[in-house]
Amino acid sequence: GDSVTQMEGPVTLSEEAFLTINCTYTATGYPSLFWYVQYPGEGLQLLLKATKADDKGSNKGFEATYRKETTSFHLEKGSVQVSDSAVYFCALNTGNQFYFGTGTSLTVIP
Amino acid sequence: NAGVTQTPKFQVLKTGQSMTLQCAQDMNHEYMSWYRQDPGMGLRLIHYSVGAGITDQGEVPNGYNVSRSTTEDFPLRLLSAAPSQTSVYFCASSYLRTGGAYGYTFGSGTRLTVV
Repeated sequence: GDSVTQMEGPVTLSEEAFLTINCTYTATGYPSLFWYVQYPGEGLQLLLKATKADDKGSNKGFEATYRKETTSFHLEKGSVQVSDSAVYFCALNTGNQFYFGTGTSLTVIP
Repeated sequence: NAGVTQTPKFQVLKTGQSMTLQCAQDMNHEYMSWYRQDPGMGLRLIHYSVGAGITDQGEVPNGYNVSRSTTEDFPLRLLSAAPSQTSVYFCASSYLRTGGAYGYTFGSGTRLTVV
């Protein structure tokens, strides 16, 4: 069945470091791919999305490219800030179903 | 503000009690769903609905009931609470006709503890 696998955390980085959180997927058909962010005590917020192969989603300095050949949608940011500390979820949508990864906790230290 | 509203934010139940978690959205989304979030397990789908009068089971439906009498509301009922249902519950909605391409809008969650 359809599924998402993302790198396990927790991840701890110093401010201004480069961030990569890996995400790979298994899906039939042509899914849409998403990254969600969850700040402490809050619900999930859509961070970025890509709806077809080679699309690049971007928002708030974060980027992810839909790679069909490697079935991946890795999240990257060139210079993280303390305010980026949160849990990040990779997700895919096929038809009316969403599938979420288990989440990767990121802590950025000053 | 438009969005998904969940109530209550926190709840403590005794084993065997019943309760209803409320979810309402004002975006005219056809699709609504309930997830539970547990440490190390990500989000697991409990039930979902593609429109008023239509519901279906997700990955972990046992112990929960839903109904969808209006487009706006999608309550989740715990029939007889068990400690295993201690979790954070999220309601989410989206447009159906776009096939979910715009992603979900999530509520802020209900933190439930069953003692």
